[in-house]
Amino acid sequence: GAVVSQHPSRVICKSGTSVKIECRSLDFQATTMFWYRQFPKQSLMLMATSNEGSKATYEQGVEKDKFLINHASLTLSTLTVTSAHPEDSSFYICSASIGQDYSGANVLTFGAGSRLTVL
Amino acid sequence: AQKITQTQPGMFVQEKEAVTLDCTYDTSDPSYGLFWYKQPSSGEMIFLIYQGSYDQQNATEGRYSLNFQKARKSANLVISASQLGDSAMYFCAMREPYNNNDMRFGAGTRLTVKP
Repeated sequence: GAVVSQHPSRVICKSGTSVKIECRSLDFQATTMFWYRQFPKQSLMLMATSNEGSKATYEQGVEKDKFLINHASLTLSTLTVTSAHPEDSSFYICSASIGQDYSGANVLTFGAGSRLTVL
Repeated sequence: AQKITQTQPGMFVQEKEAVTLDCTYDTSDPSYGLFWYKQPSSGEMIFLIYQGSYDQQNATEGRYSLNFQKARKSANLVISASQLGDSAMYFCAMREPYNNNDMRFGAGTRLTVKP
C-alpha cells in the first residue's frame, strides 16, 4: 500500500532557528501533498496544499514566509519553519494521495508526523 | 463555516459492546467523500473507512461500519464489539474534489473502551 515517510519524528530547537521537515511518498508519486498542523487536544488544521513544480497554496492565516513549502519532485515535499518561536510548537503532519480523481474517493495517506518543540 | 461537526468530545464504551460516533457535514457539492480516521496516542492517522456521496449502500470494513444518511448529511461511525485497542481519537473527514480536494477534519471524539 501507499506509504508516506516523514522525518524527523521529533525535533527540539531554539527560538529563532529554522527547522526542515521532509515528507516522502515511498512507493507512489504524489502530485499533491497536504500539510497539516495539530495543536494538543485539537483537530488537524490544513496549512497548505503543495503541488509538484508549483508554488504551494496556503490557507488563510498561515504565513507563507514563515512556513516555506517546497515540492520539487513527485516524491518529496518539505516544510521549513523559519525563525521558529515557542508558539510554533506543534505536531506537523503531511499527507498525500495517489493520483487525482474527482470523486473525492482517494484516501489520504499520512506520514507519522513531526513533533516540533521550540524552546 | 464548519464543514464537519463532531459533537461528542468524549465517549465511553464497555469492552465488547458497540458504539456510535456522530458526524455531520455540510457541502453543496454533489460529489464528495467521507472518511473516518483513528489517531492513537502515537499520533499516526489510521484510515478506517470511506463512503462516497454516490454510494447506495453503507460502507463496512470489518468491525467498522458507516451509517450514511445523505438527506440528513450525517455519516456516523459504528464500531462493533469494541476492544481495548480501540481507545483513541476518532476523526471524521470530508473531501470535496472540486474544492481543492483536500481533506477537512472534524474536532474529533476521544473514545475510551472500558474493560
